[in-house]
Amino acid sequence: EPEVTQTPSHQVTQMGQEVILRCVPISNHLYFYWYRQILGQKVEFLVSFYNNEISEKSEIFDDQFSVERPDGSNFTLKIRSTKLEDSAMYFCATARGQGGGMHYGYTFGSGTRLTVV
Amino acid sequence: GDSVTQMEGPVTLSEEAFLTINCTYTATGYPSLFWYVQYPGEGLQLLLKATKADDKGSNKGFEATYRKETTSFHLEKGSVQVSDSAVYFCALLNQAGTALIFGKGTTLSVSS
Repeated sequence: EPEVTQTPSHQVTQMGQEVILRCVPISNHLYFYWYRQILGQKVEFLVSFYNNEISEKSEIFDDQFSVERPDGSNFTLKIRSTKLEDSAMYFCATARGQGGGMHYGYTFGSGTRLTVV
Repeated sequence: GDSVTQMEGPVTLSEEAFLTINCTYTATGYPSLFWYVQYPGEGLQLLLKATKADDKGSNKGFEATYRKETTSFHLEKGSVQVSDSAVYFCALLNQAGTALIFGKGTTLSVSS
């Protein structure tokens, strides 16, 4: 069964450093998403990406965050200057459709656990 | 705004016990509702869904019925197995259809 692959599985970084989280989507999926889960809290939507641009973002997704699909395969989330409160599990998800096409369902990756120290 | 509330965990059961995990939601209109499951070390997997009122989603012995009168989507299973031990997330699709809104998740631990 096709999978969404996320790397690394765990990253530890110092406060103020930049991190890049990577996701390899399923090949025929067109919609890409990042979600995060702070330990013990809800899974929260960060951003959706379609046709090489952001289609929606939450209030969490401020100027320190960016996403891109630089080589047509990897989908990346960059956090420019990490803060302690960025420590969380970050999930990538991809879908063939969106909205009315949600019956396709998302496929989620296993997540990257980011720890900012 | 839209939100999902799940019962607090952890839920600890013996094998073959009956499971209920409560989920209620607040949303505009009648959103599609989902249960996702996360097994240790794995990603979120869609367990079941319901797209309109009174729909019943089912999969792997789990069921949930979309109740608009109580704005609920409780997850049930008649006889749990050790292999059902996981974290269960209730979620709804926002009105624009662009993002999932999740609950906090409920950890289920089943012992033999």
